[in-house]
Amino acid sequence: DVKVTQSSRYLVKRTGEKVFLECVQDMDHENMFWYRQDPGLGLRLIYFSYDVKMKEKGDIPEGYSVSREKKERFSLILESASTNQTSMYLCASNPGGRVTEAFFGQGTRLTVV
Amino acid sequence: AQSVSQHNHHVILSEAASLELGCNYSYGGTVNLFWYVQYPGQHLQLLLKYFSGDPLVKGIKGFEAEFIKSKFSFNLRKPSVQWSDTAEYFCAVTGGYSGGGADGLTFGKGTHLIIQP
Repeated sequence: DVKVTQSSRYLVKRTGEKVFLECVQDMDHENMFWYRQDPGLGLRLIYFSYDVKMKEKGDIPEGYSVSREKKERFSLILESASTNQTSMYLCASNPGGRVTEAFFGQGTRLTVV
Repeated sequence: AQSVSQHNHHVILSEAASLELGCNYSYGGTVNLFWYVQYPGQHLQLLLKYFSGDPLVKGIKGFEAEFIKSKFSFNLRKPSVQWSDTAEYFCAVTGGYSGGGADGLTFGKGTHLIIQP
């Protein structure tokens, strides 16, 4: 089974802190994604990466950055956390090439106080 | 930009009732379509997918969906729901981003389904 692992299930951070959310996949997938999930808004794509050191902005990249130094790891960075970034963050991956379904991690519920 | 519209945000049904959740998308080209389910406290799981071929696709747990190209629709159905089907359901379509073959999925806002015993 494909496994996408997010480092934390719950995080509480203070406004202005730099926050790192880590994601690791174990199936040698090419593509990795970060989404945020909010009630009534569904999932919105923040950033994605199709290769090591490559990244593309999604629909809502403002206030976020990403890092992909190794194929299996994709990090989401909140440079200066704000309360409107309180959300559930979901990491996903897929094998690449023709579009296939995405495999999701358990999610990280981030609260910024 | 691509968009996905799910018609119902909250649906409450009794066990054994039939279910149909509506999904419409905006992209006019070749699409890949998905339904995902999120059970309480669990991660998103793929319920079913459509790439090409037979427009009626069957998924896990007795779910099926029909792709109707002329209506830009991909509605999810189940003839008889169970209490365990209580979950959040998301329709998704290929995002259409360029660059290296990676495509992010565009999701609808979700339908919260509650099945009453």
